[in-house]
Amino acid sequence: QVQLVESGGGVVQPGKSLTLSCEASGFTFSNYGMHWVRQSPGKGLEWVAVIWYAEDNKSYADSVKGRFTISRDNSKNTLYLQMNTLRVEDTAVYFCSRGLLDSMDVWGQGTTVTVSS
Amino acid sequence: ELVLTQSPATLSLSPGERATLSCRASQSFSSRYLVWYLQKPGQAPRLLIYGTSTRATGIPDRFTGSGSGTDFTLTISRLEPEDFAVYYCQHYPGSPPYTFGQGTKLEIK
Repeated sequence: QVQLVESGGGVVQPGKSLTLSCEASGFTFSNYGMHWVRQSPGKGLEWVAVIWYAEDNKSYADSVKGRFTISRDNSKNTLYLQMNTLRVEDTAVYFCSRGLLDSMDVWGQGTTVTVSS
Repeated sequence: ELVLTQSPATLSLSPGERATLSCRASQSFSSRYLVWYLQKPGQAPRLLIYGTSTRATGIPDRFTGSGSGTDFTLTISRLEPEDFAVYYCQHYPGSPPYTFGQGTKLEIK
C-alpha cells in the first residue's frame, strides 16, 4: 500500500526553525520526485518545494526560497523540509506528495505548523 | 507569473445534477500540464485528472476533463453524495513553479 506519513509539525515562534519529515512506504522511494505543498487555514493549496531523483535537483517557491531546504534520505525512505526564519504567514498544513512527470499522485495526510508568538 | 482562476468560487447543486467547473489561465499552455484534484474537509487532496482529460486510477467515468489553451473544464455528469468537495486545478509543467487555482467548492443545495 503506497503511503506517505508526515510528522514534525508544531507551534513555533517567529524567526525560529522547524524540520518536517515525510516517511514513504509501499513504493521505491528513490525512483520518484517528491513535493511539499502547504495549505494555510481556510485557504487554497500552495506548492512549496520539489526534489527530484538526483538529490541536487531542487526547486522552491519564491515565498520560501532562501529560508526552506528540501532534502531526502533514500536509505530511510524519508523526505525532509527544513524551515528556517519562520514567519506568521508560514502557518499552514504541510503535505508531502509524490511527484510524477504529469501530476502529484499520492499525498500524505499533512502536518500542521503554527507560527505564533 | 501564470495565474489560474477557478469559477465559480462556490457551486450549489443537488445529487444527480450535472456540475461544470471552470479553470482559466492567464496565459496559454499545453493541455499536457493541466491537473485536477479534489479535497474533502480534513483530508489530503486526491488526484482526479491529469493531462487535461486522463482520469487517474479509480476515478469514475462521470468525471470528464476538457479544454485547451487558457480554458479548461471539469464536468461531473451526475453528482453523487461523495462528490461534494473542493476542486482545484493545477498547472504542472516540466519545471516549477506548479501553480494551483484558488479552488471551487461544490456544495449540496
